[in-house]
Amino acid sequence: EAGVAQSPRYKIIEKRQSVAFWCNPISGHATLYWYQQILGQGPKLLIQFQNNGVVDDSQLPKDRFSAERLKGVDSTLKIQPAKLEDSAVYLCASSIPRDRGRNIQYFGAGTRLSVL
Amino acid sequence: QKEVEQDPGPLSVPEGAIVSLNCTYSNSAFQYFMWYRQYSRKGPELLMYTYSSGNKEDGRFTAQVDKSSKYISLFIRDSQPSDSATYLCAIIPHSGGSNYKLTFGKGTLLTVNP
Repeated sequence: EAGVAQSPRYKIIEKRQSVAFWCNPISGHATLYWYQQILGQGPKLLIQFQNNGVVDDSQLPKDRFSAERLKGVDSTLKIQPAKLEDSAVYLCASSIPRDRGRNIQYFGAGTRLSVL
Repeated sequence: QKEVEQDPGPLSVPEGAIVSLNCTYSNSAFQYFMWYRQYSRKGPELLMYTYSSGNKEDGRFTAQVDKSSKYISLFIRDSQPSDSATYLCAIIPHSGGSNYKLTFGKGTLLTVNP
């Protein structure tokens, strides 16, 4: 079974530029998540999709971040314009929604973003 | 008070040592408890999962949950250099619907020295 694919692996941009990340979840996984992991911190959920609908985007900075999952499969996360504090690893995860919280999330390797 | 507190370490032990990693949480609604392992420049991978108080064992790893104290632990027996990684506790509240939001601790960086 192929894992969660993310690209690019690394990205270096200057502040105020825009950037986009791509994620392809495990086949058949209806739920997709984007996390931000700042150095020395645990991952923080930015947005959760169920198929192509948004379930939770309460921690997404909507003035600069956007995400879409148009066909309920792969997803893109965009930052425009980027700030220095956006330097982090952006992780994508996917899962099959299950009862009673047995929500096993499978993570991709992440995109490491450096904003200069 | 943060929802999940985890000592970030770093923790350095000799090969063969018993390692104890711990998290505390503040919300008694949290019902499902996980430990993820994250190697350098990789995504987190699920190591252990439990939803009840008590111990759960898997090989050299034991996950322990004490809901009365809101305290969870991961023990690694006979630690190996390949166990060197960051260990993240993650907790899910018990709720209906499809939003099973994971709340992560900061992670503890473990180094096992040969």
